[in-house]
Amino acid sequence: GAGVSQTPSNKVTEKGKYVELRCDPISGHTALYWYRQSLGQGPEFLIYFQGTGAADDSGLPNDRFFAVRPEGSVSTLKIQRTERGDSAVYLCASSLNVGGTDTQYFGPGTRLTVL
Amino acid sequence: SQQGEEDPQALSIQEGENATMNCSYKTSINNLQWYRQNSGRGLVHLILIRSNEREKHSGRLRVTLDTSKKSSSLLITASRAADTASYFCAMNTGFQKLVFGTGTRLLVSP
Repeated sequence: GAGVSQTPSNKVTEKGKYVELRCDPISGHTALYWYRQSLGQGPEFLIYFQGTGAADDSGLPNDRFFAVRPEGSVSTLKIQRTERGDSAVYLCASSLNVGGTDTQYFGPGTRLTVL
Repeated sequence: SQQGEEDPQALSIQEGENATMNCSYKTSINNLQWYRQNSGRGLVHLILIRSNEREKHSGRLRVTLDTSKKSSSLLITASRAADTASYFCAMNTGFQKLVFGTGTRLLVSP
């Protein structure tokens, strides 16, 4: 079946603008995760959802970042007043159930560039 | 913050040789996973080893885990040019998120 998809694949914006990044998880996966990867680093956790609710948002760097998953499927990561330091690849993953032993399947990522 | 460190940061070998990457972490884990990433984009899950396991195999991959030393290693045998990628260990500490290491960049030359 189809894997995790993310749109757009690339996003270039200006400092101070608002952006939305979209993630379509694998059908039937109840858990959805967002990570951020800076150049030369490993991914860092931002937030995860179980169904529609954000079960852990401890990785969001500040209140400019917000994510939603209103129907328990597609998720949108929203960044307000973007800063140059927000430039990174934003990765989404999903897993069948919330559980430490479940494999997380990653999408191709959205490369965000803030000028 | 990243709680895993990988060694070496970069590794360059010839096709047919074996590649070994090491991962050290700081906290107790439920399991440890290895991922591959091509061209800085999507990650592909390779293998998962639970905290009560010491060794696991999958094809040309062999993973070991030493919880007393808080370390793991990934061995790729008979490497191929297509194995060129970055490899990350990722720790599950009992919460749902994964904590990734810093990664090893592997270059396999024909």
